[in-house]
Amino acid sequence: GENVEQHPSTLSVQEGDSAVIKCTYSDSASNYFPWYKQELGKRPQLIIDIRSNVGEKKDQRIAVTLNKTAKHFSLHITETQPEDSAVYFCAAADTGRRALTFGSGTRLQVQP
Amino acid sequence: ETGVTQSPTHLIKTRGQQVTLRCSSQSGHNTVSWYQQALGQGPQFIFQYYREEENGRGNFPPRFSGLQFPNYSSELNVNALELDDSALYLCASSDRQKSGELFFGEGSRLTVL
Repeated sequence: GENVEQHPSTLSVQEGDSAVIKCTYSDSASNYFPWYKQELGKRPQLIIDIRSNVGEKKDQRIAVTLNKTAKHFSLHITETQPEDSAVYFCAAADTGRRALTFGSGTRLQVQP
Repeated sequence: ETGVTQSPTHLIKTRGQQVTLRCSSQSGHNTVSWYQQALGQGPQFIFQYYREEENGRGNFPPRFSGLQFPNYSSELNVNALELDDSALYLCASSDRQKSGELFFGEGSRLTVL
């Protein structure tokens, strides 16, 4: 089955700096890669996703890149703000299977 | 349009007991998935239901079972509870005919003593 590795497990940045979280996956059939943000005691919320037919996608301060050959994808957050502090999860799925395999999460702390 | 709702939000059980968790999917969504999230870990796929049938299952034993009803709501049942079953149980709904994006509920936090 699919295996998703996520790094780092914790990340502390100063407000205004950029943050990068990296994930690798094992199943070459995976073609859907969402990123979720989970605040303490709250539900995971989708912040951005990318499909295997594109290499990069941006949404304001958030961008995701995908390298299918190397089987890795990354989340980039620019101009970080204290409200970006949360746990971020990457995930991968073969849309035919429709089950997401999640990484272990990255706790991002943005220091004001 | 209502989002995904789950009940109960918190519950405490003892080893060996049985538990039923409930989920109402987002309006218009026909697929429900259940995930288990242990403390400090990512969610793990339990199973998915579509048209009242199980449509994919993760690495969970048969004592984890589920149902989907004609209105697309769903139940997760866990028999013979073990201490390691303590976790946040997340329900997620999606529209199989569309993007497949998952919308999560707030979860049911189960503590097994």
